[in-house]
Amino acid sequence: ELKVEQNPLFLSMQEGKNYTIYCNYSTTSDRLYWYRQDPGKSLESLFVLLSNGAVKQEGRLMASLDTKARLSTLHITAAVHDLSATYFCAGGQEASGSRLTFGEGTQLTVNP
Amino acid sequence: DAGVIQSPRHEVTEMGQEVTLRCKPISGHDYLFWYRQTMMRGLELLIYFNNNVPIDDSGMPEDRFSAKMPNASFSTLKIQPSEPRDSAVYFCASNSGTGYEQYFGPGTRLTVT
Repeated sequence: ELKVEQNPLFLSMQEGKNYTIYCNYSTTSDRLYWYRQDPGKSLESLFVLLSNGAVKQEGRLMASLDTKARLSTLHITAAVHDLSATYFCAGGQEASGSRLTFGEGTQLTVNP
Repeated sequence: DAGVIQSPRHEVTEMGQEVTLRCKPISGHDYLFWYRQTMMRGLELLIYFNNNVPIDDSGMPEDRFSAKMPNASFSTLKIQPSEPRDSAVYFCASNSGTGYEQYFGPGTRLTVT
C-alpha cells in the first residue's frame, strides 16, 4: 500500500526567502502530483511528474522527482504572500488504476 | 469547459437524515473519484469509477455510504443515515484515461448536527 508523507506540515516564511517542501513515498509510484488548496477552496493542480529526474517549473514554484529515493520536492523561490496556501503531494500507481494517495499537506504562510 | 460540477455546495442536516451529494464530471472523462477531506484524516479516497463501473470502493467507511454512476455525466454519493462524524468536505474529481491530471470539483461541505 502506497503511503505518502510530507514535511514540514507547517511552514512560516518571509517574503523573498527560498524554501523546499519534501514529499516521501513508501513504494513505487508511477506519477507524483502537487496540488494547491486555498482555505475553503478546492484543489488546484500544479504539477504532474511522470519520470525519474522530471523537473517542472511554474513561476516561483519548481517541482522535481527522484524515483530512486522515492522523493519529490517543491521548491519555492523568493516567496510572495500570494503563495500562502496548503500544498499537497499525491502519488499514483498504475497497478491501482488512477487512484491517488495524498500526503498530509503543508500549510505555508508567507509573511510580509 | 465548466469543470467538475458538484451540488449542493453546502449541506446542513440532522443526524439520521439521508444526504445525497451530486457530481457531474468533465465531459469526456471516463474516471470519476469521490474523496473526503477532514482535519483528522486528511484527504481520503472513498470510491472511484471507470466508465460508470465502480472499480475500488475500499475507502467507503461503512454500509451507510453508497455511490452510483448511472451514466457518464452524473454520479451520486449517498449517506443514509447520516451521523455527526460524517461532517466533512466531499470532493468529486475526474480525469480521462489518456491523461494523468485529475481535476477536482469545488466540493460539498457537509455538516451533520
